[in-house]
Amino acid sequence: KNQVEQSPQSLIILEGKNCTLQCNYTVSPFSNLRWYKQDTGRGPVSLTIMTFSENTKSNGRYTATLDADTKQSSLHITASQLSDSASYICVVSATGNQFYFGTGTSLTVIP
Amino acid sequence: GAVVSQHPSRVICKSGTSVKIECRSLDFQATTMFWYRQFPKQSLMLMATSNEGSKATYEQGVEKDKFLINHASLTLSTLTVTSAHPEDSSFYICSASQGAPGEAFFGQGTRLTVV
Repeated sequence: KNQVEQSPQSLIILEGKNCTLQCNYTVSPFSNLRWYKQDTGRGPVSLTIMTFSENTKSNGRYTATLDADTKQSSLHITASQLSDSASYICVVSATGNQFYFGTGTSLTVIP
Repeated sequence: GAVVSQHPSRVICKSGTSVKIECRSLDFQATTMFWYRQFPKQSLMLMATSNEGSKATYEQGVEKDKFLINHASLTLSTLTVTSAHPEDSSFYICSASQGAPGEAFFGQGTRLTVV
């Protein structure tokens, strides 16, 4: 069964600290993996996209990693800011334009 | 990057009425559009997939007669919630794809409240 699991479900960190979010998947055949940031009441915004051959990709303070062998991905946020408070969703796509969504990690950055 | 515009962002309607939500790809041609529903603190749930010029494919459990989807052009898809009820209150989000594998650009979402 194609599934995407994210952990932790929620996370509270102090402003300026780093954090890492996890995404494990069983989707096959794998096409790519995206991390999205979703602010409350808004549509998701793409942070990174990674294909099978990519191990790491950065977008500013966001760095995503992908281990296609273990089917795990992580999103590392460096020097967190209050504006990073949002839900982070891992989306894995299979060939044929099938998308599988994780349940998201709710991140709260406090001053 | 590609922009998807969704309108309206918020709508309140009376029970029994119909509501139309528009999803437009502003700077690209969307061969495929997806409609999602999201309940509070839950992940996006795919409702249906529509390809331009053909009938939408609905996910199991989604009533096609209640959630009418039209994808009449390569830049516009609409979702009409017919005879809305309070339990239809939710956050509806569209996404659009040019056809590249795994590509999805999301709209801003529409908060529907049925009173």
